[in-house]
Amino acid sequence: GEDVEQSLFLSVREGDSSVINCTYTDSSSTYLYWYKQEPGAGLQLLTYIFSNMDMKQDQRLTVLLNKKDKHLSLRIADTQTGDSAIYFCAESILGQNFVFGPGTRLSVLP
Amino acid sequence: DAGVIQSPRHEVTEMGQEVTLRCKPISGHNSLFWYRQTMMRGLELLIYFNNNVPIDDSGMPEDRFSAKMPNASFSTLKIQPSEPRDSAVYFCASSFIGGGAEETQYFGPGTRLLVL
Repeated sequence: GEDVEQSLFLSVREGDSSVINCTYTDSSSTYLYWYKQEPGAGLQLLTYIFSNMDMKQDQRLTVLLNKKDKHLSLRIADTQTGDSAIYFCAESILGQNFVFGPGTRLSVLP
Repeated sequence: DAGVIQSPRHEVTEMGQEVTLRCKPISGHNSLFWYRQTMMRGLELLIYFNNNVPIDDSGMPEDRFSAKMPNASFSTLKIQPSEPRDSAVYFCASSFIGGGAEETQYFGPGTRLLVL
């Protein structure tokens, strides 16, 4: 079945860039997503990318998609303490078969 | 829109009791998902509905769990009888399947369930 993998932890210093990586197995994915979960809260959609795109930029966020390697990354520029959270990568096929990764816990050190 | 609404936000109950979790999806969405999140198992899809019909309930742990969606604006997840291992955060999410980026899932704030 489909599988989405992420590293579980990442620590960066405030002001540095963070890069969170994700790999997936289903080549027929139509959309790939990044969600953010702050402590005690639900998952909040950060951004998404259609599978025929290579890159998407939205303010401090840059998403890169390497479809050949089935690799997705999220870069957060100028990381702030408010970016500390768990980041989930997810894939879907036409909105169904939604599969989430285990989440990467980002810690931003002052 | 108020987003996905879940109630209660917190529930503490004793083993053996019935627990009912409620969800109101975003108006206009045609799909609803129930997830469970624990430290050990991460985020697990329990069941999802499309146009009020259960499509995939393979994630429902066992017969003690049941879910209903009587109409497009309301769903329940029931656990009867509850057990301590059911303690988790239960999320409801909704989406519109059938067009572009609207397929994105939007999550509610979750219900934190503790079974003693």
